[in-house]
Amino acid sequence: SQQGEEDPQALSIQEGENATMNCSYKTSINNLQWYRQNSGRGLVHLILIRSNEREKHSGRLRVTLDTSKKSSSLLITASRAADTASYFCGTGANSKLTFGKGITLSVRP
Amino acid sequence: EPEVTQTPSHQVTQMGQEVILRCVPISNHLYFYWYRQILGQKVEFLVSFYNNEISEKSEIFDDQFSVERPDGSNFTLKIRSTKLEDSAMYFCASSEWVENNEQFFGPGTRLTVL
Repeated sequence: SQQGEEDPQALSIQEGENATMNCSYKTSINNLQWYRQNSGRGLVHLILIRSNEREKHSGRLRVTLDTSKKSSSLLITASRAADTASYFCGTGANSKLTFGKGITLSVRP
Repeated sequence: EPEVTQTPSHQVTQMGQEVILRCVPISNHLYFYWYRQILGQKVEFLVSFYNNEISEKSEIFDDQFSVERPDGSNFTLKIRSTKLEDSAMYFCASSEWVENNEQFFGPGTRLTVL
């Protein structure tokens, strides 16, 4: 079964708009972590939400987790051109993270 | 801000050769990981390591792979006899604890097997 599947696959928005990205998973998790990856670079940790948490904020980021629906969303408010990147959710169970294919976000200046 | 570092940034090798990828985790972290990302595909878990032992490994991590913490700062991934399909970006990560703790990734080593 696939774990940590993000949608949409690609998202293009205008600078200043909000971007919402979703992640679904199938098995039980301890936590869910969102990462950003610029082309050809490493994964930058954005935010972790634990399985007993429902919502978390960090700057312009807002993450929600619904364990009953096995889904999470990442909201980036007031997007900037510099937010252009791929975004991944990693579902944490035991010691490993399982990632989806990611979402390509393009923010047009 | 502390960060995970990896060397080299790019490694080119011939099929059948051994390669060692090096990582320096964040200094107060106790858990270490290797992941790989084949071009255009998902980031895949390879192995986790704690207290000088493998904690968990994936199906990808077969007998051709090994990990080691040779000293107090380095964490290495060795591929004994590389194959074409080992070409990928290899990421090292570390975390302070294993439960509900952020994993911080290094910039990666791009391995190209010819």
